[in-house]
Amino acid sequence: QQQVKQSPQSLIVQKGGISIINCAYENTAFDYFPWYQQFPGKGPALLIAIRPDVSEKKEGRFTISFNKSAKQFSLHIMDSQPGDSATYFCAASIANAGNMLTFGGGTRLMVKP
Amino acid sequence: GAVVSQHPSRVICKSGTSVKIECRSLDFQATTMFWYRQFPKQSLMLMATSNEGSKATYEQGVEKDKFLINHASLTLSTLTVTSAHPEDSSFYICSAEGLTYNEQFFGPGTRLTVL
Repeated sequence: QQQVKQSPQSLIVQKGGISIINCAYENTAFDYFPWYQQFPGKGPALLIAIRPDVSEKKEGRFTISFNKSAKQFSLHIMDSQPGDSATYFCAASIANAGNMLTFGGGTRLMVKP
Repeated sequence: GAVVSQHPSRVICKSGTSVKIECRSLDFQATTMFWYRQFPKQSLMLMATSNEGSKATYEQGVEKDKFLINHASLTLSTLTVTSAHPEDSSFYICSAEGLTYNEQFFGPGTRLTVL
């Protein structure tokens, strides 16, 4: 059972454009929603994370939007750059249940120059 | 930020041999370490969770006798793939979580190729 569904699987964006990746979850007990960036052959790195007490969090060009009632959250990358080309994973966890992460399927982003 | 290392970064072995992968938290004490497996172009799948000094908790479908996990200290966890076979070829990633950080920090991964 896939508890976190991520879309799209792949995304091509022109340099300077906005990249948008969406995730939907099923378990209402999730209370931590991080996004990870992974380059080929490397481990994932935390990009930005949000907790359900806020609806939006912005860090530089990266913004998470969170809709608790719809059980959805999304990552927006503003002014996308070729260096942003990577695979992005959303995830969710429950803080009081070992903090085990449930990952989405991933989105391969390509930013064209 | 917290740093997690893995060794080796890649290993090639013959079928039937055992391979040990080390995961170290370099600048913090990791109370919990996680081991993931990632096949090409797929997501990370949690294999097991280990707490220092206790037995690892394996996810459903993961053979505990094949994937031996030892978390002997607050900075080191090891994953041993016993009697490796070609289907065990994958990218193995560890992550660590400590008391001072409420998030997991991931290692760079180990590429295992079993011939």
